[in-house]
Amino acid sequence: QQQVKQSPQSLIVQKGGISIINCAYENTAFDYFPWYQQFPGKGPALLIAIRPDVSEKKEGRFTISFNKSAKQFSLHIMDSQPGDSATYFCAASKTGANNLFFGTGTRLTVIP
Amino acid sequence: KAGVTQTPRYLIKTRGQQVTLSCSPISGHRSVSWYQQTPGQGLQFLFEYFSETQRNKGNFPGRFSGRQFSNSRSEMNVSTLELGDSALYLCASSYRGEAFFGQGTRLTVV
Repeated sequence: QQQVKQSPQSLIVQKGGISIINCAYENTAFDYFPWYQQFPGKGPALLIAIRPDVSEKKEGRFTISFNKSAKQFSLHIMDSQPGDSATYFCAASKTGANNLFFGTGTRLTVIP
Repeated sequence: KAGVTQTPRYLIKTRGQQVTLSCSPISGHRSVSWYQQTPGQGLQFLFEYFSETQRNKGNFPGRFSGRQFSNSRSEMNVSTLELGDSALYLCASSYRGEAFFGQGTRLTVV
């Protein structure tokens, strides 16, 4: 059973637009929600992460929105750039347990 | 600060053989986790080692095993390779809950 569900599977956005990727989780024990960016031939790189004590976290053009009651969280990429074209993964885990449950990934393409 | 180093980057093995993959974590990180990435199953957790002890284990058969040394370096072993073991194997070192991945070892079983 997929513990973290991610959508959409693929996304095409114009340069300068907003990219939005959504994730939902089942296990209410999860309390750490990171996003990873992966380029072809590379390992996933930690982009930004959030814990349930806040509803939003922003780092540069990247924002995570978190809805604890709905068990959902999303990544917003503002002013999307062609260099942002990559696969994005959401994940979830419990504090103290370094085993991440990943979503299925979203392939983002930013068109110049 | 050097990142997570995985060796080798690429491997081709024959069905039935065994393989050992190596991971050197970021200096100071004592937790090392292994993941398998395939197009069909995505990223799946294999196991985690902390201070030379396996602390967590995913849902993989016993053919997949690992160990961690006193310097936190870790190895992963897969015995009796099957075609379905072809994947990108990723190692992550963690500190205060944040996991940092290496570039992975691409294993092809023929």
